Amino acid sequence: QKEVEQNSGPLSVPEGAIASLNCTYSDRGSQSFFWYRQYSGKSPELIMFIYSNGDKEDGRFTAQLNKASQYVSLLIRDSQPSDSATYLCAVIGLSGTYKYIFGTGTRLKVLA
Amino acid sequence: ETGVTQSPTHLIKTRGQQVTLRCSSQSGHNTVSWYQQALGQGPQFIFQYYREEENGRGNFPPRFSGLQFPNYSSELNVNALELDDSALYLCASSPRVQTGGNNSPLHFGNGTRLTVT
Repeated sequence: QKEVEQNSGPLSVPEGAIASLNCTYSDRGSQSFFWYRQYSGKSPELIMFIYSNGDKEDGRFTAQLNKASQYVSLLIRDSQPSDSATYLCAVIGLSGTYKYIFGTGTRLKVLA
Repeated sequence: ETGVTQSPTHLIKTRGQQVTLRCSSQSGHNTVSWYQQALGQGPQFIFQYYREEENGRGNFPPRFSGLQFPNYSSELNVNALELDDSALYLCASSPRVQTGGNNSPLHFGNGTRLTVT
């Protein structure tokens, strides 16, 4: 079992729709969760982070965390073609190695 | 506020050679981490430096080594390059990473694209 799992996609949604990206993790002790966006050939840029169970909203983005089920999701409302990118989920746990563990990313395509 | 800067942006090396990649951390950040990202994969943790010492290491062989300097900048050195070392190398800085509790996000530089032929 991979430490952080994401569906590689591509996930295609029409412009204006809600895109839902999901991520599951294996370390039950994980405390901090991050979503990064990565355009092709570029470095990851932070979208959101979440620490507590529940929802956290920032503009068009909402992160959802469920520690009991060990999943974290990212919702993008009113999706735009400029949102087309790979979305990386990252987790840091209690293992003490200080490493942020990334999933392989989900490729999102927003169709105009 | 100065972000994370990496140099060079692109590099082509031959198998067996050695390479040094450089990184300046974001102002106010004292922890630097290095990641390797192969095509189509997520970033893989190489190691992290805090107070000029290696503070955690991923599953990479000893030919991957690093340094952190008093100004928090860092170098990644790779000896005896192999074809599989071709990847995007990402440097990320953050405030001190704690075990347990909430950790600040990583802030990435633009990366160095290394090609080994």
